[in-house]
Amino acid sequence: RKEVEQDPGPFNVPEGATVAFNCTYSNSASQSFFWYRQDCRKEPKLLMSVYSSGNEDGRFTAQLNRASQYISLLIRDSKLSDSATYLCVVGFQKLVFGTGTRLLVSP
Amino acid sequence: DAGVIQSPRHEVTEMGQEVTLRCKPISGHDYLFWYRQTMMRGLELLIYFNNNVPIDDSGMPEDRFSAKMPNASFSTLKIQPSEPRDSAVYFCASSLAGTGSGSGYTFGSGTRLTVV
Repeated sequence: RKEVEQDPGPFNVPEGATVAFNCTYSNSASQSFFWYRQDCRKEPKLLMSVYSSGNEDGRFTAQLNRASQYISLLIRDSKLSDSATYLCVVGFQKLVFGTGTRLLVSP
Repeated sequence: DAGVIQSPRHEVTEMGQEVTLRCKPISGHDYLFWYRQTMMRGLELLIYFNNNVPIDDSGMPEDRFSAKMPNASFSTLKIQPSEPRDSAVYFCASSLAGTGSGSGYTFGSGTRLTVV
């Protein structure tokens, strides 16, 4: 079983739509959680950290469920510029990256 | 800050040749990581350093791979001899705090390696 699992997608959504990505992780001792964004042929960039109480950054909302070992990312009012691959990242002694979920936002 | 700087951006080499990838972390960051990314396997951690000392090299695929960090501002990843299956994008990342902390990592732009 992979340490971090994500649906690879792609998720095809129209502009303005709300889309949600999920991620599960296997190490119950994990201590830190992130979502990274990676554009085509670019490096991963930190989108947001994920806190136990859930957190929001503009149109982006992240949730963590430690009991189910599950992380989610919700994007509201999708923009064309949101098209990218979203990487779920889980940390214990090191950060482990999921293989990513690809999002395509169309006009 | 200039961010994490990697060189070269692209490298094409013949099978059997030695390849050296270079990384300059963000000044003041005391953790440095080398990752490899392929379509099939995603981002894989190869090795990481703390204060220039290798901490975990369990992700290094085999003896053909080696990494050094002679000082706080420079690290190299060497592949000798290179093979076509080493073709991938190699990222270097640095971090201010511990690997499990809330600070995340800052990545360089990567080196796209093609071994023919």
